[in-house]
Amino acid sequence: SQELEQSPQSLIVQEGKNLTINCTSSKTLYGLYWYKQKYGEGLIFLMMLQKGGEEKSHEKITAKLDEKKQQSSLHITASQPSHAGIYLCGADIDGNDMRFGAGTRLTVKP
Amino acid sequence: NAGVTQTPKFRVLKTGQSMTLLCAQDMNHEYMYWYRQDPGMGLRLIHYSVGEGTTAKGEVPDGYNVSRLKKQNFLLGLESAAPSQTSVYFCASSGQGWQPQHFGDGTRLSIL
Repeated sequence: SQELEQSPQSLIVQEGKNLTINCTSSKTLYGLYWYKQKYGEGLIFLMMLQKGGEEKSHEKITAKLDEKKQQSSLHITASQPSHAGIYLCGADIDGNDMRFGAGTRLTVKP
Repeated sequence: NAGVTQTPKFRVLKTGQSMTLLCAQDMNHEYMYWYRQDPGMGLRLIHYSVGEGTTAKGEVPDGYNVSRLKKQNFLLGLESAAPSQTSVYFCASSGQGWQPQHFGDGTRLSIL
């Protein structure tokens, strides 16, 4: 079973539109990480969140961790074809080893 | 700067055969990890190591063994391959503390 639930599983958006991907756990998340994966390639680190309420941004991507440290969101503003790929969240849950969500496949239509 | 390098990139095995996947990192990282990625399952941790000479079981360790004889290398072994081990295998490394993991490009393994 997945300890980290990601939603949606897949997403198709028109270029220029905003979108949000969610990552949820019933347990406390320690060190929440967001990665991007292109088909057939490894994972590229995007951002890391540790503190409840923390928010980080890089270019057009913003990630937030809620106050209870059980849910994170990844928001992309004005999406571009270069944003297409699979987004995965990973976290140290309850101080144990790393767990990953199943991923969200993003398609951006030009 | 190569980062994390996995060899081989592709391999096809027959049921019952054995093989070793090699992971090498040049970032002087203490921690190294082996994952498998299956459709709809995300990444699942097989084994990991927090330093040279140490290994620990992850979420799905059965059917795999690992060794970390040198700090820069982490080997994943399949003693008797089974079709259920058909997957894409990723190696990662990280520094100590709250550091992001750096991933290799993966090894696609098919077991017939």
